Amino acid sequence: SQQGEEDPQALSIQEGENATMNCSYKTSINNLQWYRQNSGRGLVHLILIRSNEREKHSGRLRVTLDTSKKSSSLLITASRAADTASYFCATDQLHSGNTPLVFGKGTRLSVIA
Amino acid sequence: DTGVSQDPRHKITKRGQNVTFRCDPISEHNRLYWYRQTLGQGPEFLTYFQNEAQLEKSRLLSDRFSAERPKGSFSTLEIQRTEQGDSAMYLCASSLEFTLGNEQFFGPGTRLTVL
Repeated sequence: SQQGEEDPQALSIQEGENATMNCSYKTSINNLQWYRQNSGRGLVHLILIRSNEREKHSGRLRVTLDTSKKSSSLLITASRAADTASYFCATDQLHSGNTPLVFGKGTRLSVIA
Repeated sequence: DTGVSQDPRHKITKRGQNVTFRCDPISEHNRLYWYRQTLGQGPEFLTYFQNEAQLEKSRLLSDRFSAERPKGSFSTLEIQRTEQGDSAMYLCASSLEFTLGNEQFFGPGTRLTVL
């Protein structure tokens, strides 16, 4: 079963705009990660935020985590056409000892040049 | 290139045939994972290995599926008597135990089409 639920399912924006995607999950976690997947390809790790962190930045990416609401958001600033992809949040469950990730269904982002 | 590799990238087979996929993880990674991804969904866990030991299997892994990692390096995933419902992307990932955060590195996937 999939723990995470991304919102929205699809997002279309103009190049240069910011894109915000949200993720909700069900159980307590150690970490939450965001991955990107270009059409028909493998997943690329973007950023990881630990359960004791509230915000993290990496380049044009900003991730927030609210463990009380079991939710996270991914903000991509100044989007580019190359950011067009599906974005997934993934969690590993608390005390699971780094076992398999549980992914959401993803947000399909389209950045129009 | 020292990333995760998978072979083949695409496989088309007829229902009832057996297929085998291979995954070569990043060389120093001792954990290896198999996931399945269907269209419009996120990856779903199938099974994982720590070194050569298969530590966990999902309920998705029916008895037609078997995975091995005989020497703790590459892994194979075999599907016997394939069904149309097995059509999916099969993703392999690897990670290093004791890495803070459990970041997993994914291969490009094997896309299986069962006719």
